[in-house]
Amino acid sequence: SAVISQKPSRDICQRGTSLTIQCQVDSQVTMMFWYRQQPGQSLTLIATANQGSEATYESGFVIDKFPISRPNLTFSTLTVSNMSPEDSSIYLCSVVYRSSGGNNEQFFGPGTRLTVL
Amino acid sequence: AQSVAQPEDQVNVAEGNPLTVKCTYSVSGNPYLFWYVQYPNRGLQFLLKYITGDNLVKGSYGFEAEFNKSQTSFHLKKPSALVSDSALYFCAVRVLSGGYNKLIFGAGTRLAVHP
Repeated sequence: SAVISQKPSRDICQRGTSLTIQCQVDSQVTMMFWYRQQPGQSLTLIATANQGSEATYESGFVIDKFPISRPNLTFSTLTVSNMSPEDSSIYLCSVVYRSSGGNNEQFFGPGTRLTVL
Repeated sequence: AQSVAQPEDQVNVAEGNPLTVKCTYSVSGNPYLFWYVQYPNRGLQFLLKYITGDNLVKGSYGFEAEFNKSQTSFHLKKPSALVSDSALYFCAVRVLSGGYNKLIFGAGTRLAVHP
């Protein structure tokens, strides 16, 4: 399976500031995704980030609020801009990777727990 | 709209008893269905998936799931629960949208296995 790491693992931030979350994968992957998991809720897809193209955002998410970079096939960043307490969530990076069984599987990073005061 | 429903917020079961975590789906075409587990302070881990073929799918940690097309269900099961199975379980369906395959998740079901 693909091994995904995220930095930071958690952070507490003041409203109005911005935080950039890093996602590093131990293998080259084409498709990377960013999800948000609000407290007690399910996962919601923020955007799909493919190397060499602009990120594709889901309804309700905009680039100005959640700018994404994808400089190469193993790395991506998600910035949460001008934060408010409503942005307090777990942010997860995810990739599609061909597993040892030969099938494409979707793997998730450990998440970044963000608290905005 | 394509969606996944997990009707139970929480499932309680005694250790050693069989467990079932329910999932129903609404998609157009043939569904690609998944189960993931989330342990406290950890990311999601893939358990199993149904793409095609045998309706009974076996996955990690002794879990299995049964695809039922007529009932549009994909319930997660395990013959004998362990306390260590206590976690948050998510059912998901893969859909094609905007040129990409994306996972749509259910709300999650918290499984509590009691000694």
